[in-house]
Amino acid sequence: EVQLVESGGGLVKPGGSLRLSCAASGFTFSTYNMNWVRRAPGMGLEWVSSISTTSRYIYNADSVKGRFTISRDDAQKSLYLQMNSLRAEDTAVYYCARGVGLLPYFDYWGQGTLVTVSS
Amino acid sequence: EIVLTQSPGTLSLSPGERATLSCRASQSLSSTYLAWYQQKPGQAPRLLIYGASSRATDIPDRFSGSGSGTDFTLSISRLEPEDFAVYYCQQYGSSPPLTFGGGTKVEIK
Repeated sequence: EVQLVESGGGLVKPGGSLRLSCAASGFTFSTYNMNWVRRAPGMGLEWVSSISTTSRYIYNADSVKGRFTISRDDAQKSLYLQMNSLRAEDTAVYYCARGVGLLPYFDYWGQGTLVTVSS
Repeated sequence: EIVLTQSPGTLSLSPGERATLSCRASQSLSSTYLAWYQQKPGQAPRLLIYGASSRATDIPDRFSGSGSGTDFTLSISRLEPEDFAVYYCQQYGSSPPLTFGGGTKVEIK
């Protein structure tokens, strides 16, 4: 059974940093592109970042470029999102999602981790 | 950036009725690279349809997708109580950013 479990969310002040993790199981992690998608309160889904197998290709939404960094550790079957210079508008539930294709659709999702940016 | 516009914003229907949800793209999508997701409160999104019309694993056949170019439709033939949720379309496969529509809420009338 495919499982994706996010962790690392919490309350952080504007300008602060946070690192999200996603632990994967039930599939061969190294052979899939992986992604982060978020949903702000009362809003719809927003794609954040994607990383290909071997980390060769990385894509980021304009809203997070220069502030967020996606990475992966295939030995640990884990996906990460380093979030710096956080803003109030980054407040959201962040989902880890397995991708199909390089610029993918998402066939499995984690339950999400809540990030709240507030003073 | 490809903008996806979903309509209506809210659909009020009774169990057993047919639901028809629309997703319109600001430019033609290559190779019908459109997916549909369902999300219920407090839950992760679930993939329903990819490639505009292919059902994902374990998705009931009352869900169907159609369309090409700029106009796409998700149909639910007979609404079950568990189908009341928010539905999103998403375009993929072209240059970033990947984008989602704003969502359609299907609520009980």
